[in-house]
Amino acid sequence: AQSVTQLGSHVSVSEGALVLLRCNYSSSVPPYLFWYVQYPNQGLQLLLKYTSAATLVKGINGFEAEFKKSETSFHLTKPSAHMSDAAEYFCAVSDDMVTGGGNKLTFGTGTQLKVEL
Amino acid sequence: SQTIHQWPATLVQPVGSPLSLECTVEGTSNPNLYWYRQAAGRGLQLLFYSVGIGQISSEVPQNLSASRPQDRQFILSSKKLLLSDSGFYLCAWSAGNTIYFGEGSWLTVV
Repeated sequence: AQSVTQLGSHVSVSEGALVLLRCNYSSSVPPYLFWYVQYPNQGLQLLLKYTSAATLVKGINGFEAEFKKSETSFHLTKPSAHMSDAAEYFCAVSDDMVTGGGNKLTFGTGTQLKVEL
Repeated sequence: SQTIHQWPATLVQPVGSPLSLECTVEGTSNPNLYWYRQAAGRGLQLLFYSVGIGQISSEVPQNLSASRPQDRQFILSSKKLLLSDSGFYLCAWSAGNTIYFGEGSWLTVV
């Protein structure tokens, strides 16, 4: 069975500071890993994904994440936080395939990012 | 390009009333479709997925059902809502190994 743990339900950073959101996964097979962002009262937007290619994945809005198999981690980072980054971030793992393609995601419980002036 | 729409965006329903949330996908054919529910502090839970017309798989036992009457239409229903059905419901579709989400529907059962 697959699972995701996001350490810290709330993270607060100053504008311009490094953003680090932690995600650890458990999977019995090589996983696909995803980060999604959710702004208030909206759906989830894909930030980036790891699908067994390069271990350092670059996404939208200046975010990136590094897949570390030895640590079973997929932490999300951004060098310099912006006020517009304030949102909830979800890490997700998939090692279950739906017949005919696609996949079933298991989500973490989310990390609310607050950016302060 | 592909787009996904779901409606209504917000719904307030009394306990015991029926529910119908609709989702449509445009710009793709034969997508895999999903319904997720998001409860506060609990992340997202997969409720149903569908790999084709009339093919529905349920992930958790519950008071809800899903149907796929057309290739790009996915409907979430209930005959009698419970208070515990309140939450944010997200429709999604997948292309390959990536899932894309709709705007979500807020359901409050009172």
